[in-house]
Amino acid sequence: ETGVTQSPTHLIKTRGQQVTLRCSSQSGHNTVSWYQQALGQGPQFIFQYYREEENGRGNFPPRFSGLQFPNYSSELNVNALELDDSALYLCASSLPVGNYYGYTFGSGTRLTVV
Amino acid sequence: SQKIEQNSEALNIQEGKTATLTCNYTNYSPAYLQWYRQDPGRGPVFLLLIRENEKEKRKERLKVTFDTTLKQSLFHITASQPADSATYLCALEGGNTPLVFGKGTRLSVIA
Repeated sequence: ETGVTQSPTHLIKTRGQQVTLRCSSQSGHNTVSWYQQALGQGPQFIFQYYREEENGRGNFPPRFSGLQFPNYSSELNVNALELDDSALYLCASSLPVGNYYGYTFGSGTRLTVV
Repeated sequence: SQKIEQNSEALNIQEGKTATLTCNYTNYSPAYLQWYRQDPGRGPVFLLLIRENEKEKRKERLKVTFDTTLKQSLFHITASQPADSATYLCALEGGNTPLVFGKGTRLSVIA
């Protein structure tokens, strides 16, 4: 059974640029969630995808967008990067609520915006 | 607004003792409460899940309690070891609300 894989592991971007982060979910999981974690804080929910449809969104602006593909892998896109977007971005996969046992997280992508 | 509070940012205990971490929440009716472990630079790792109709759950040296009246969960690690040193995150999920996390408690087990 494979876990959650995220790429790249580290990334440095310039303010105003765009970035795409990728996530392969755990085998058998059809729900993917994305989180942003600033240093010393808990993960903050960005959005969730279930069977290729957005299934909930946190308090993040529209320049944060996502996709889920038929194989349940996912992308997080961030446009017009700001310095405050520097953080660890975490992807987690799970089965739907009511039929799952916790989230499986990847190791994250460390994004630095300069 | 909804809030999840973990009692302290950092907790130091002696090896062999029981570590007790607290998670309180307000303006929330979670169906599930979960605890995760996070090591520096890594993603959280799922430890235990407890449902709203359950009072206690155990897994090896770990025990979680869930009191929906007090809106509180306690997370215990018995016979703690230096390898248990990490940040522990409390998370809630329920209804249409996705999994939301507290800030975490950084546990240090001193040999």
